[in-house]
Amino acid sequence: DAGITQSPRYKITETGRQVTLMCHQTWSHSYMFWYRQDLGHGLRLIYYSAAADITDKGEVPDGYVVSRSKTENFPLTLESATRSQTSVYFCASSETGTSGGTDTQYFGPGTRLTVL
Amino acid sequence: AQKVTQAQTEISVVEKEDVTLDCVYETRDTTYYLFWYKQPPSGELVFLIRRNSFDEQNEISGRYSWNFQKSTSSFNFTITASQVVDSAVYFCAFKGSARQLTFGSGTQLTVLP
Repeated sequence: DAGITQSPRYKITETGRQVTLMCHQTWSHSYMFWYRQDLGHGLRLIYYSAAADITDKGEVPDGYVVSRSKTENFPLTLESATRSQTSVYFCASSETGTSGGTDTQYFGPGTRLTVL
Repeated sequence: AQKVTQAQTEISVVEKEDVTLDCVYETRDTTYYLFWYKQPPSGELVFLIRRNSFDEQNEISGRYSWNFQKSTSSFNFTITASQVVDSAVYFCAFKGSARQLTFGSGTQLTVLP
């Protein structure tokens, strides 16, 4: 039972490069989320997806792009990485995400990204 | 807008002491859910508990217990007889009518041997 996995676990890149972080879940959960974790800010939502081909912005979407062609995958792309995007990125999924919030989000192990 | 406050940035206790982590939330939603997550030094986020706004019963799970008080908008977490393995950052989170979780800033708990 793999659950939710992220790759790579660690990534170092340079300013201006494109980077894609991968997220894969085996639970067939409808909802998937991307958060970033920074000291002093806790976890902040970047984007989320309610189903394949449905995505929406979170609190801090600028500089990021997502797609969801398959239910189990939710890649996050930094089109032109900046130093301010150095962070730990967490992917999460939940079975549903209906208004009122009935479902628990389960998190992947995180990707530590450093932009030089 | 929802807000979650964890006023305790860092707490340090000696093994076997009891410790309470505070969580206060603000919302206008009448239906909502509260969560606690643990982030050990290895970095992953581990789900501990979920509580809905209609259930104010306290919950106990082994050495962990949670006290939800709607009247004070608090959802506090107590670890009884703490152990070194409890050392972690603990996050309280809120989910109301919006899709996303709103996290508190976390409390770093250090349990000393």
